[in-house]
Amino acid sequence: DGGITQSPKYLFRKEGQNVTLSCEQNLNHDAMYWYRQDPGQGLRLIYYSQIVNDFQKGDIAEGYSVSREKKESFPLTVTSAQKNPTAFYLCASSLAGGRADTQYFGPGTRLTVL
Amino acid sequence: AQSVTQLGSHVSVSEGALVLLRCNYSSSVPPYLFWYVQYPNQGLQLLLKYTTGATLVKGINGFEAEFKKSETSFHLTKPSAHMSDAAEYFCAVSDTGGFKTIFGAGTRLFVKA
Repeated sequence: DGGITQSPKYLFRKEGQNVTLSCEQNLNHDAMYWYRQDPGQGLRLIYYSQIVNDFQKGDIAEGYSVSREKKESFPLTVTSAQKNPTAFYLCASSLAGGRADTQYFGPGTRLTVL
Repeated sequence: AQSVTQLGSHVSVSEGALVLLRCNYSSSVPPYLFWYVQYPNQGLQLLLKYTTGATLVKGINGFEAEFKKSETSFHLTKPSAHMSDAAEYFCAVSDTGGFKTIFGAGTRLFVKA
């Protein structure tokens, strides 16, 4: 089955640690996205990538980093600079990033800072 | 800039009753509009979308939405609610340059037996 996988499902981080969230897709999509979801705030865009080896900051990129070395993979690192990282993180992909494109979402990773 | 406003963070209906979830948008260009649904602790999935053409759009699970340019609205409806419809619903609009989608804050739908 084609789709997007995210791992781990739950992640716990201590203060001062960097953690990396995995996102893999086998839909052969060019565009990939990372969103942060907090209660009552909808989805906020962290980073997006239109093509391999290229990515752009979204609305809340501070304290996060990404890489796009392979078409199917778009990992997100939450660094110690992110002051309030506890949230639900969603990865998505779309065919080419066009305005009419549907975004396909993974099941999410819930990150909690201890 | 594009924006989306969903009226009502929570909506409660009885099973079998009409579902109406409200969405208003702001866009400097003809909008591309979406409704997504999210079940607890899961990702989002597309219910329906409007790009061009017919303004009444039918989606999955019996939902439909009507694009009304004069009212800048894209409200989501379903004639008869089912318990399985309980979820959070997000209205969204594509950014003018593509690649970005702006999501509303979401409306949580509760269905009472």
